Amino acid sequence: DIQMTQSPSSLSASVGDRVTITCRASQSISRYLNWYQHKPGKAPKVLIYVASSLQSGVPSRFSGSGSGTDFTLTISSLQPEDFATYYCQQTYSTPTTFGGGTKVEIE
Amino acid sequence: QVQLVQSGPEVKKPGASVEVSCRASGYTFTNYRIHWVRQAPGQGLEWVGWISPNRDNTNYAQKLQGRVTMTTDTSTTTAYMELTGLRSDDTAVYYCARETGGAMAYFDYWGQGALVTVSS
Repeated sequence: DIQMTQSPSSLSASVGDRVTITCRASQSISRYLNWYQHKPGKAPKVLIYVASSLQSGVPSRFSGSGSGTDFTLTISSLQPEDFATYYCQQTYSTPTTFGGGTKVEIE
Repeated sequence: QVQLVQSGPEVKKPGASVEVSCRASGYTFTNYRIHWVRQAPGQGLEWVGWISPNRDNTNYAQKLQGRVTMTTDTSTTTAYMELTGLRSDDTAVYYCARETGGAMAYFDYWGQGALVTVSS
């Protein structure tokens, strides 16, 4: 199985900060990398698919980049509603696997 | 609009079985795979498996092979996940999710989640 490693596992930031989360795959996954936002008691929500495509309805402050084994999710200006846990997911091969998550907390 | 509505919380004893349902609406049910993903308390997301409603093809996580069965009822556009031989580490919120399909596969719609608690 392809292992997905996210860093950091948690971070504290303030409203307006630029936030960057990284995800590394144990082998090349081309661009088959998705990002989800998950809030307690809610269903996960897709933000970015195939590394850099913004899902319809997701604010443009979210962006994704990368290919091969290294990927990045960036929030250009953190908003109060962005405090959540973020997961990367590879769909290059079965089984699909998720990163361990990055919890974004209020500083 | 697309909706996935799951059944309610369950409390089961170790060794028992549980079935979680996921009723789909707002799209052609047979055109999209349904995946199941779980999240144990304080843990991340773990893929459980998928089912293709048009052919009932399935693919399960290796660690759950032999204990998990996924089915669909196309007449009611409902997907089911049954887990047998429950253990305490099966305690989790179980989500169903629709896969977009094709090369750019991702999970675009999710159910609200169903908490399964395994406790003696």
